[in-house]
Amino acid sequence: QVKLLQSGAELVKPGASVKLSCKTSGFTFSTSYMSWLKQVPGPSIEWIGWIYAGDGGTNYNQKFKGKATLTVDKSSSTAYMDLSSLTSEDAAVYFCATGVPPHYWGQGVMVTVSS
Amino acid sequence: DVVLTQTPPTSSATIGQSVSISCRSSQSLLDSDGNTYLYWYLQRPSQSPQLLIYLVSKLGSGVPNRFSGSGSGTDFTLKISGVEAEDLGVYYCVQGTHDPWTFGGGTKLELK
Repeated sequence: QVKLLQSGAELVKPGASVKLSCKTSGFTFSTSYMSWLKQVPGPSIEWIGWIYAGDGGTNYNQKFKGKATLTVDKSSSTAYMDLSSLTSEDAAVYFCATGVPPHYWGQGVMVTVSS
Repeated sequence: DVVLTQTPPTSSATIGQSVSISCRSSQSLLDSDGNTYLYWYLQRPSQSPQLLIYLVSKLGSGVPNRFSGSGSGTDFTLKISGVEAEDLGVYYCVQGTHDPWTFGGGTKLELK
């Protein structure tokens, strides 16, 4: 069955960067879209963007351009998201998900920004 | 960005009761290709969201048929015909017609 396993919780300092991973199995990753989303307490969910694993093509929410960079490694069926210049506003739970619309979701990873 | 307004923010129900959740969009979600990219998700406590309904009214894989979606243009409804305990959580409507994709603020379904 479809599985998405995200990396563990992150504690990062303000101004630093972090790379989140999402290892997948159970479907054809190389021809799939992968979405990334942000959830903050409220609850509120924002769509960050998606990447097409086939050619690395991306579509970002304008709000996250310059903040998030999506990449994939087809050899390991893993999707990645780099978050740069972190501030308290970036503290959230981040999800990866298959497809557009997001269908199967990872378990989420909490990112805490603190000095 | 398209704003999706869900009502009510919280709904209390007894097991077996039917409930409806409304989702109103700030713009029409009818795409030029004739599709309406409106989806419904359920996020159970401490779980990731699950896709329930796609394209307004199509049931997601494995989703019980007590869930149904309807609507057009800017007004949409999710109905649960006979709430079960496993249905408790937060429901979100999501639109994908206009970039960026946006989520409603959520409707929390709890037991009365």
